Amino acid sequence: KNQVEQSPQSLIILEGKNCTLQCNYTVSPFSNLRWYKQDTGRGPVSLTIMTFSENTKSNGRYTATLDADTKQSSLHITASQLSDSASYICVVSDRGSTLGRLYFGRGTQLTVWP
Amino acid sequence: EADIYQTPRYLVIGTGKKITLECSQTMGHDKMYWYQQDPGMELHLIHYSYGVNSTEKGDLSSESTVSRIRTEHFPLTLESARPSHTSQYLCASSTADQPQHFGDGTRLSIL
Repeated sequence: KNQVEQSPQSLIILEGKNCTLQCNYTVSPFSNLRWYKQDTGRGPVSLTIMTFSENTKSNGRYTATLDADTKQSSLHITASQLSDSASYICVVSDRGSTLGRLYFGRGTQLTVWP
Repeated sequence: EADIYQTPRYLVIGTGKKITLECSQTMGHDKMYWYQQDPGMELHLIHYSYGVNSTEKGDLSSESTVSRIRTEHFPLTLESARPSHTSQYLCASSTADQPQHFGDGTRLSIL
C-alpha cells in the first residue's frame, strides 16, 4: 500500500534553533518528492521538489534531503524564525498514471517559540 | 499576490442548502484539483480536471460535483449540504509536472 508517514507529528522549538522533520514513504513507482509549508488558515506552498536523482535541495533556510534507496526524506530548518510556525507536508508523486498521483503525509506541526 | 483564488473563505450554512465553492486561477494552468482536508489529517483528492470539459472523481468519494467550462474556473457544488460535509476544501492548479499551486481554501461548516 502506498503511504507517506511523517514524524514527529508535532514539534516545539525555540527561535533560532535548528530542527529536522522526517518523511518515510512506500510509494512505488517513484517520480518526485515535494515538501510544502501550510500556514494556519492558508493553502500549502511548495518549498522544494526532488526527483530520484537528486539527494539534496535548498530553499533559503530550508534544506531537503532524499534517500531513494531507503525511501526517506528530511527537511532541515536552520536558524528558525517565528514565521516558520506552520504544518510541513511531505508529498510523493508516482509515475503510475497520467495524472502522476500524489500521496500526502499528515504533516508535522511546527511551533517556534520566542 | 495569490494566483489562485477561492471564495468564500468561510461559509456557515444550514442543512439542505445548495452550495457552490468558487475557484479561479490566472496562470493558464490546464490541470485543476479539489482536495478535502480535515484538521490533523492528510489532503484527500475529491475531483480533478485535465482541461476544459474534462472532470474526474478523485480518491475520496464525495457527493459534490464539479464543472470545467473555462480553463481558469473550476467550481465545486454541493446540491444538498449535510453536517458530514463540514471540512476545509482546497483548490489547486498545475501545469506539466510542476508543483501544484494551492488556494487558501474554503472552510465550510454545515449546521
